[in-house]
Order: sequence, then structure tokens, then C-alpha cells
Amino acid sequence: KAGVTQTPRYLIKTRGQQVTLSCSPISGHRSVSWYQQTPGQGLQFLFEYFSETQRNKGNFPGRFSGRQFSNSRSEMNVSTLELGDSALYLCASSLAVGGDPSPFTYEQYFGPGTRLTVT
Amino acid sequence: QQQVKQSPQSLIVQKGGISIINCAYENTAFDYFPWYQQFPGKGPALLIAIRPDVSEKKEGRFTISFNKSAKQFSLHIMDSQPGDSATYFCAASKGRDTGRRALTFGSGTRLQVQP
Repeated sequence: KAGVTQTPRYLIKTRGQQVTLSCSPISGHRSVSWYQQTPGQGLQFLFEYFSETQRNKGNFPGRFSGRQFSNSRSEMNVSTLELGDSALYLCASSLAVGGDPSPFTYEQYFGPGTRLTVT
Repeated sequence: QQQVKQSPQSLIVQKGGISIINCAYENTAFDYFPWYQQFPGKGPALLIAIRPDVSEKKEGRFTISFNKSAKQFSLHIMDSQPGDSATYFCAASKGRDTGRRALTFGSGTRLQVQP
């Protein structure tokens, strides 16, 4: 079974521009979460999507947004890019079967990430 | 506010030795504690995870020890190998239901296993 895929893998943008990153979860997985990884702040939660609805959001400004499609694929968008947005953006998917207590349903599996550089 | 504190920041171990990484958490609502391994240029890979109703879980050379009263958990890597050289992250989340799965990560431990 293919893992989580993220596109593009690398991206260079200029301050003030906007960017859209894409994530395809593991086949059959219905929940997608996004994380930002930087040397200074480490790994930080951005948001979680399930059934095309944002279920949870981390402490990031409104410039960071996302959405999920009916096939569970997800995109995140960052508008008005700032230098501090340079980071590795990671997508994680989980099975998310409602009401099922089995651990494997909520284990999160990460993709390789998109390396965003803002100049 | 850092809710999961991880130590040490870096660790050097000889091949065949035991690597031990410790984490402490503050939020008693956390009830799922995974460990991730990350190689340069890769995303974090799930290694092993534990729920607070057990004190220890072992998978191959990797063992999690969990102390609920002390709000601490640790990763032990037995018979450490050079291929284990990577950055390890502990994490915690509040539940298994959607909307509660946000992982709070520790700051990471860079492990180097010398041959």
C-alpha cells in the first residue's frame, strides 16, 4: 500500500506570495493532519481534517488555511508569505473509523513533507 | 508553553549499547504517547506507541516505559545499531477521536550510534 504523498517536495516563494501544498493520504485513510517543522519551534500542529471538515486547529494565524476533498485528499494554503514561514510542512494521515477503539485507527503516518523556502 | 519535555537533546551510544530517551508531560488529558524516528530529508516514521493503561510495551529492540504517576515515559533502544542514528521525537495526544488527535511533540533527540 502506498504511503502518504505530498506535492511538491520543494518550493521557493517570495515574501508576500501565497502557496498551496497538497497531500494524498494512505488509501482508505480518512483523517488528514498538517504539521509545521522548523529548527526553532520543532514540530507544531496546524490543523486536522475529517469528512471534509476542519476538526481542530493549532495556534497559527489565519493566513494558514486548509481544506479536504471528498476523496480525503487535502490541501493547505499559506497567504501573504513571511520569511518565518520557511519550514518543512508535513501531512499525516490516519484511518479514523468512528467509534472504533483499535489503536491502528488513530495512529498517524507522515508523508515526506514539502520544504518551503520563503525569500 | 511546552507541554512535552524531551531529554537529552543529543545522545552518543556505542554499537550494541542501550539508548535511553526520556519525556515528561504536563497535561493529564493526554492518553496516547507515540514515538517517531526521523531521518534527514524524511518525514517522521511511527516507531511504537503506548496508552497509559500499561506500564511497558516492547516491539523488537524498542521498548516504551510509562510512569503515569510521574507523568513520564521513555524509549529504550536495545542493542543500538549505526542504522538507528536518527532524530527521535516523543509525542502525546488527547485522544483517538477526530478533533482530539493533534500531536504535541517533544523537541527531539539526535541519536548517534558509533560503530
